[in-house]
Amino acid sequence: SQELEQSPQSLIVQEGKNLTINCTSSKTLYGLYWYKQKYGEGLIFLMMLQKGGEEKSHEKITAKLDEKKQQSSLHITASQPSHAGIYLCGADESSNTGKLIFGQGTTLQVKP
Amino acid sequence: DTEVTQTPKHLVMGMTNKKSLKCEQHMGHRAMYWYKQKAKKPPELMFVYSYEKLSINESVPSRFSPECPNSSLLNLHLHALQPEDSALYLCASSQHRLAGGYEQYFGPGTRLTVT
Repeated sequence: SQELEQSPQSLIVQEGKNLTINCTSSKTLYGLYWYKQKYGEGLIFLMMLQKGGEEKSHEKITAKLDEKKQQSSLHITASQPSHAGIYLCGADESSNTGKLIFGQGTTLQVKP
Repeated sequence: DTEVTQTPKHLVMGMTNKKSLKCEQHMGHRAMYWYKQKAKKPPELMFVYSYEKLSINESVPSRFSPECPNSSLLNLHLHALQPEDSALYLCASSQHRLAGGYEQYFGPGTRLTVT
């Protein structure tokens, strides 16, 4: 079965610093999704990547999918306290089920 | 509008109670999902409905009973739960299920405590 490994598990950065979260799959990814979650709340959809080499940006967050479609990164530029939360990568289990599997999450703290 | 709503926000129930969780979306999505999330763990899929029909049941105990009355509504009926069922229950929806590549939108969740 497919597994997603996220690193680091947790991250504490000073406000204004850049950071990167990685997500590695044991199999080729059909679709890779990034979500953000505040503790005890729902998941907020950030971005979806499907094509090898694809890169998407929204405000100060950039997500990339490598050419082999087995690794993705999420980069935050000039972090702010509002970026704090748990970042989860998710992937389609296969091309035809719509079932998502998730990495274990990366907890981000941004110190003012 | 990418909103999925869930009620109630919090629920405390005894092991002999019967209760229901409700989920609603008005995005015209035809796939709806129930997830269970324990503390400091990622969400785990429970059920998937596609076009109002149950498509995936991840071997969930029968004390959890899903229902999809129409394309906008999803219920989760709870009966004779155990304390270990205490968790955050998340509902999600997406345009389709049968093909990957459709992002899922999540509701705020229901925090369930079983006493």
